[in-house]
Amino acid sequence: AQSVAQPEDQVNVAEGNPLTVKCTYSVSGNPYLFWYVQYPNRGLQFLLKYITGDNLVKGSYGFEAEFNKSQTSFHLKKPSALVSDSALYFCAVRDIEDSNYQLIWGAGTKLIIKP
Amino acid sequence: EAGVAQSPRYKIIEKRQSVAFWCNPISGHATLYWYQQILGQGPKLLIQFQNNGVVDDSQLPKDRFSAERLKGVDSTLKIQPAKLEDSAVYLCASSSTSGRGYEQYFGPGTRLTVT
Repeated sequence: AQSVAQPEDQVNVAEGNPLTVKCTYSVSGNPYLFWYVQYPNRGLQFLLKYITGDNLVKGSYGFEAEFNKSQTSFHLKKPSALVSDSALYFCAVRDIEDSNYQLIWGAGTKLIIKP
Repeated sequence: EAGVAQSPRYKIIEKRQSVAFWCNPISGHATLYWYQQILGQGPKLLIQFQNNGVVDDSQLPKDRFSAERLKGVDSTLKIQPAKLEDSAVYLCASSSTSGRGYEQYFGPGTRLTVT
């Protein structure tokens, strides 16, 4: 069965420090991987995606993520956290063989950046 | 480019009443999704449209929920009658279907409270 795991409900980071939000996945075929961010009372905003090519992908607001096929992971990273990065982050995966283009979503990780 | 529009933003109703939500996707996006997001959880797909046809409604509680996209553009999601457990944020998203790697773009959501 296809699934996405975000093992941490909450991640706390001091402002200026690097941050990592973890995501692992399970699909039967090759994955397309996505990260979204959700600010309070807002819809989800697309951050970045991995489709093919370079395992390190860069996205909005200085975020990047590294696709690791052997570890089936797609961790979200940022070199220097900002207080404004505090939000709810969702990882999602789509099986390349899925003709319906549906996303399988993780449960979300709350990121708290402390001044 | 205008984003995905949703209305209303907030709705409070009593159980057993009916409610309807409206969504207008990004222009040219053939695929439209309705999600239910319960506080603290990831989005749950309710129904997916490709133009005006239903691709997947396997998780839509059809005894009380209905959705339509008559002209292949905007869409309406209805709940009748509402239950307490329907309290959630209802998100609409759209995507291009030119390729499987295309991300979904979300509206701001409608927060439904059933009392």
